[in-house]
Amino acid sequence: DTAVSQTPKYLVTQMGNDKSIKCEQNLGHDTMYWYKQDSKKFLKIMFSYNNKELIINETVPNRFSPKSPDKAHLNLHINSLELGDSAVYFCASSHGHDEQYFGPGTRLTVT
Amino acid sequence: KQEVTQIPAALSVPEGENLVLNCSFTDSAIYNLQWFRQDPGKGLTSLLLIQSSQREQTSGRLNASLDKSSGRSTLYIAASQPGDSATYLCAVTRRGNQGGKLIFGQGTELSVKP
Repeated sequence: DTAVSQTPKYLVTQMGNDKSIKCEQNLGHDTMYWYKQDSKKFLKIMFSYNNKELIINETVPNRFSPKSPDKAHLNLHINSLELGDSAVYFCASSHGHDEQYFGPGTRLTVT
Repeated sequence: KQEVTQIPAALSVPEGENLVLNCSFTDSAIYNLQWFRQDPGKGLTSLLLIQSSQREQTSGRLNASLDKSSGRSTLYIAASQPGDSATYLCAVTRRGNQGGKLIFGQGTELSVKP
């Protein structure tokens, strides 16, 4: 019954590695998002996709590349990980501008 | 540029008290405002969504109000319980072509003491 799911929940990796985080929603929503929550707990939008089309790219380094294979999935691939990428990454979904539903988050730790 | 501010940053109250959390935003051209709850180490749970045309929304012991012209929203929690302890976040979406981009405040960390 999970509405928005993310895998993995925890990710520990070394600098320079490439990693991916997956997100799936079963709510039938047409819009999906990635948000980053930093060490001070501040949440900020990274990307937004509507019907598999990128509509928001919020000055995120191009080491971050989102991919939406279909409306129910939005994955985040990160190349050449840096210490500053350590954060909690949240996926969310909505129908257009309506209420957003968040996944449980992926805690990324770069050592 | 839209900025969202939440006051206070932290609040500690005894069980049973009614309390108000405040949220202000600088640009009144919002599409809607959403209140969330975040428990430590967990994701965000949506509490209430207020459309820009609405003045308030209620769910159980929670009541959220919106005054778009003054750029303010409040979240009222009645008869607080220890289980209400969490961080409460407000966020707005902007009218226009930026999809449903949520702009968040820093949150209010609430502690309800038994």
